[in-house]
Amino acid sequence: DTEVTQTPKHLVMGMTNKKSLKCEQHMGHRAMYWYKQKAKKPPELMFVYSYEKLSINESVPSRFSPECPNSSLLNLHLHALQPEDSALYLCASSQGRLNEQFFGPGTRLTVL
Amino acid sequence: QKEVEQDPGPLSVPEGAIVSLNCTYSNSAFQYFMWYRQYSRKGPELLMYTYSSGNKEDGRFTAQVDKSSKYISLFIRDSQPSDSATYLCAIGHGQNFVFGPGTRLSVLP
Repeated sequence: DTEVTQTPKHLVMGMTNKKSLKCEQHMGHRAMYWYKQKAKKPPELMFVYSYEKLSINESVPSRFSPECPNSSLLNLHLHALQPEDSALYLCASSQGRLNEQFFGPGTRLTVL
Repeated sequence: QKEVEQDPGPLSVPEGAIVSLNCTYSNSAFQYFMWYRQYSRKGPELLMYTYSSGNKEDGRFTAQVDKSSKYISLFIRDSQPSDSATYLCAIGHGQNFVFGPGTRLSVLP
């Protein structure tokens, strides 16, 4: 299994809502990542988990809260988002921090 | 100077052409080099990954790295309309992993 899955595929939420994005991989990878991608821009790194511990937080606002319940799962909890947070949110995993990253299909988020 | 630079295109070529995509980088500490293909509204798909200078071939794709010039390339032979996508280089060292801005490629039938 060489797949990273993400749910939901699409999400529309209001600025007062609380929602979560989910990511799962069964490749035995020990590093997992959240990226944000705006239209016609490259992905921007948000968070890195290595061995289920948060190792990098790229100065992301606290309205985004990551969680890594186990080595296969990664969540991104969303609360009080702004319209400018609308983007494609991508999850990726790699064997280690220096290895190639495999991406999921993304969740397209719209904040109204 | 940006860490990784890439011509954003768009680049349009006829079907069957050889496509050359390039990135330059500024930090000589970069150790590993990747090319991703991203279709519209989809996640990036890893095409090639290499640590070393030289060429690496996989089917119609060849990745070339020249560390002395801080220059990497992706060549696509016998390009197909299905190759139409955005191609992102990604370069890293240690904890630092940086994407180029991407080149939009259109292969015309």
